[in-house]
Amino acid sequence: DVKVTQSSRYLVKRTGEKVFLECVQDMDHENMFWYRQDPGLGLRLIYFSYDVKMKEKGDIPEGYSVSREKKERFSLILESASTNQTSMYLCASTHRHYGYTFGSGTRLTVV
Amino acid sequence: AQSVTQPDIHITVSEGASLELRCNYSYGATPYLFWYVQSPGQGLQLLLKYFSGDTLVQGIKGFEAEFKRSQSSFNLRKPSVHWSDAAEYFCAVGSNFGNEKLTFGTGTRLTIIP
Repeated sequence: DVKVTQSSRYLVKRTGEKVFLECVQDMDHENMFWYRQDPGLGLRLIYFSYDVKMKEKGDIPEGYSVSREKKERFSLILESASTNQTSMYLCASTHRHYGYTFGSGTRLTVV
Repeated sequence: AQSVTQPDIHITVSEGASLELRCNYSYGATPYLFWYVQSPGQGLQLLLKYFSGDTLVQGIKGFEAEFKRSQSSFNLRKPSVHWSDAAEYFCAVGSNFGNEKLTFGTGTRLTIIP
């Protein structure tokens, strides 16, 4: 089975901190995605990447950046965390014909 | 721009009763449609997908969905729900077999009563 692993299930950070959310997949998938999930809003795409060192903005990239130095790892960076970035963050990877595999999510609270 | 509407925020169903969750989409080309389920504290799990061919697709856990192009709908059904089906359900639309970005609906939370 494909595994997408997010390094933290729960995270509490202070306003203004730089926050790194890590995501690793073990199946050599080309495409990786970061979504945030909020009640009543569903999942919204933050950033995605189709290859190493490539990145594309999603629907809500403001306040976020990403890094993909290796194929298996896709990091989401909150440059200066704010309370409105308190959310559930979901990472996913895909390979042709197999669709998405999601990680279990990181619930981030910014205080 | 593509979009997905799930008009029901919350549905309550008795165990053993039938279920239908609604999903309407807007997409300019041939849509690739998906239903995902999310149990509390978990990531999303794929229930089923539609790419082409037979418009009635079967998924895991006894779920099925029917693609109706004329109505831009992709409703999820199950003939008899179990308590373990309580979860949040998301409909999504995308392209390229779902390998590119997906657009998700806002979700429907399903509660099962004994």
